[in-house]
Amino acid sequence: DADVTQTPRNRITKTGKRIMLECSQTKGHDRMYWYRQDPGLGLRLIYYSFDVKDINKGEISDGYSVSRQAQAKFSLSLESAIPNQTALYFCATSVPGQGTQETQYFGPGTRLLVL
Amino acid sequence: QKEVEQDPGPLSVPEGAIVSLNCTYSNSAFQYFMWYRQYSRKGPELLMYTYSSGNKEDGRFTAQVDKSSKYISLFIRDSQPSDSATYLCAMSVAAGGTSYGKLTFGQGTILTVHP
Repeated sequence: DADVTQTPRNRITKTGKRIMLECSQTKGHDRMYWYRQDPGLGLRLIYYSFDVKDINKGEISDGYSVSRQAQAKFSLSLESAIPNQTALYFCATSVPGQGTQETQYFGPGTRLLVL
Repeated sequence: QKEVEQDPGPLSVPEGAIVSLNCTYSNSAFQYFMWYRQYSRKGPELLMYTYSSGNKEDGRFTAQVDKSSKYISLFIRDSQPSDSATYLCAMSVAAGGTSYGKLTFGQGTILTVHP
C-alpha cells in the first residue's frame, strides 16, 4: 500500500461548490503539506502543518482552508470553487532532518477540474 | 520575480546524451538544494540533494551548487528513455543546521529522451 494516499484521484465540480480533498499517510510523519501544480508554474505551497495543532498559510492560501484531523490526516477544502482553481493538487509529508535536508514524500495527486 | 527560476523546456535529447538542467535563485537564505523527479501522472520523488557549494555524484547524476552565483545544476550522463520525466529543483532555508521543511520549487523542466 502507498505511504501517502489522496482521495479522490480525479474530481470534476462546478463553480461555487464546496469540495474537500483528503490526504492520509502511514509514514508516521508530523509534517504535512498541500501544494498545487500548474503548467509552467511548478509546485506552489498552499498550507502546511508541522504537527496536529500547527497550521500555517503557504504562498497561495486564499480560497482554501485545511483541517488536520490527526497526525495521519490532512484535508484541503475549497469553500466555493472557481475555475482558476483547476489544477493538480499534491499532499506531501516529511520528518525534520537532523543536520541534513528534509525529504518530502508526495502522494499521487488529485486532478481537479472546476467548470 | 520568482525566488526560483527554472527553464521549463521542454527538452528533447537522444539516448546517450548529456543533459544539463539549471535553476537560479534570488534568496540568499536558501541552504538546502534538491532535485525532484516527477514521472507522468505521479507525485515528485527526491532524486538528489546538496547542502554546500560544489558537486555531488550519484551514479549517472551529478548535482552542482554555486552559491556565489546563486545557481544550481543537475547533469545526467548517458541519458536513458527511462529518464524522461519532469525535473523540479527545490530549495529550503536552514534553521540551526536543519532544513526548515518549507520548499520553494522551480517551474520544472520537461525532459524527453528518445531512443
